[in-house]
Amino acid sequence: DTEVTQTPKHLVMGMTNKKSLKCEQHMGHRAMYWYKQKAKKPPELMFVYSYEKLSINESVPSRFSPECPNSSLLNLHLHALQPEDSALYLCASSQEGPRGNEQFFGPGTRLTVL
Amino acid sequence: DQQVKQNSPSLSVQEGRISILNCDYTNSMFDYFLWYKKYPAEGPTFLISISSIKDKNEDGRFTVFLNKSAKHLSLHIVPSQPGDSAVYFCAANEMGRRALTFGSGTRLQVQP
Repeated sequence: DTEVTQTPKHLVMGMTNKKSLKCEQHMGHRAMYWYKQKAKKPPELMFVYSYEKLSINESVPSRFSPECPNSSLLNLHLHALQPEDSALYLCASSQEGPRGNEQFFGPGTRLTVL
Repeated sequence: DQQVKQNSPSLSVQEGRISILNCDYTNSMFDYFLWYKKYPAEGPTFLISISSIKDKNEDGRFTVFLNKSAKHLSLHIVPSQPGDSAVYFCAANEMGRRALTFGSGTRLQVQP
């Protein structure tokens, strides 16, 4: 299984809602990532988990809260988002190592904040 | 300050011809480079990578060339096929760092 899956594919939420994005991989990768991609821009790293522990937080606002319940799952909890947070949220995974390595991406969740 | 630059936002080539996508970088600490392909509504798909100890890596129709002195890399696709039409992102990585730094992408269109 060489796939990273993400649910939901699309999400529309109001600024007062609480929602979660989910990501799953079964490649035995011990590093997992959240990226944010705005239209016509490259992906930007948000968080990195290594062996289920948060190792990088790229100064992301606290309204985004990541969680790694086990080595296959990665969640991103969303609360009190702003319209400018509307974007494609990409999950990725890779083998653990001293570098980023080849990261395998999921299809993303298209988030719209009203 | 963009550390990875793809200066051509778009490229159009005829089917069967060579596609050459270019990427420049400024950070001399980058030592591993990757190319990703992205279709609309999908995540980026890893294509090919190259370490800074090499100057060329080939995988089927795809070849990546690295010129360290010029801080430049390129992706060659030969022969180009209509199914190659997508956005191509160049990415770079620094030893000891987890993050990939992406370029802004080049939209390739292969005309039948």
